[in-house]
Amino acid sequence: AQRVTQPEKLLSVFKGAPVELKCNYSYSGSPELFWYVQYSRQRLQLLLRHISRESIKGFTADLNKGETSFHLKKPFAQEEDSAMYYCALSGMSGNQFYFGTGTSLTVIP
Amino acid sequence: DVKVTQSSRYLVKRTGEKVFLECVQDMDHENMFWYRQDPGLGLRLIYFSYDVKMKEKGDIPEGYSVSREKKERFSLILESASTNQTSMYLCASKDSAYEQYFGPGTRLTVT
Repeated sequence: AQRVTQPEKLLSVFKGAPVELKCNYSYSGSPELFWYVQYSRQRLQLLLRHISRESIKGFTADLNKGETSFHLKKPFAQEEDSAMYYCALSGMSGNQFYFGTGTSLTVIP
Repeated sequence: DVKVTQSSRYLVKRTGEKVFLECVQDMDHENMFWYRQDPGLGLRLIYFSYDVKMKEKGDIPEGYSVSREKKERFSLILESASTNQTSMYLCASKDSAYEQYFGPGTRLTVT
């Protein structure tokens, strides 16, 4: 069963426009949710996680348990935000991770 | 700064060959993971290890095995490589919290 769904494979926005990358999940219990980012020719790295409730590079994500969503948002997109973004879920043990299929974000100058 | 290294960035092997992919981390992490990354499919977990000599199957273990003889090293083995195993392979290690640290990846082509 697919545990993490990212409905958009590709997303293009203009510089300065708001951006939202969608993520929905299914998991019984209390999962931990993350966003990972992979810039061109760089390794995959953690962007943010819901338990820390912080904003990284202007991005925020709110866990909505009712809608089982963890959408990533930024009010004003920058060209350097162009990258592949993965939503991920970790179960209670912290040993199993499930990644979504990824969304490729392009910010148009 | 956590460092996860993988033995090769690019690898080309023939069908039926035995292939070893090596991963080393230098932060004394107990947990290590092997994923494959394919366009449109995201990252899929092949195997993970939570301690030396301990391993658990992930979502797609078929055709793969792993070895963890030392804490810092986690090897992925393709017993008999097939063309459908052509992919990008990512290794990761994890500390006691939840953050995973990824290696640069090995792009394997099986011809």
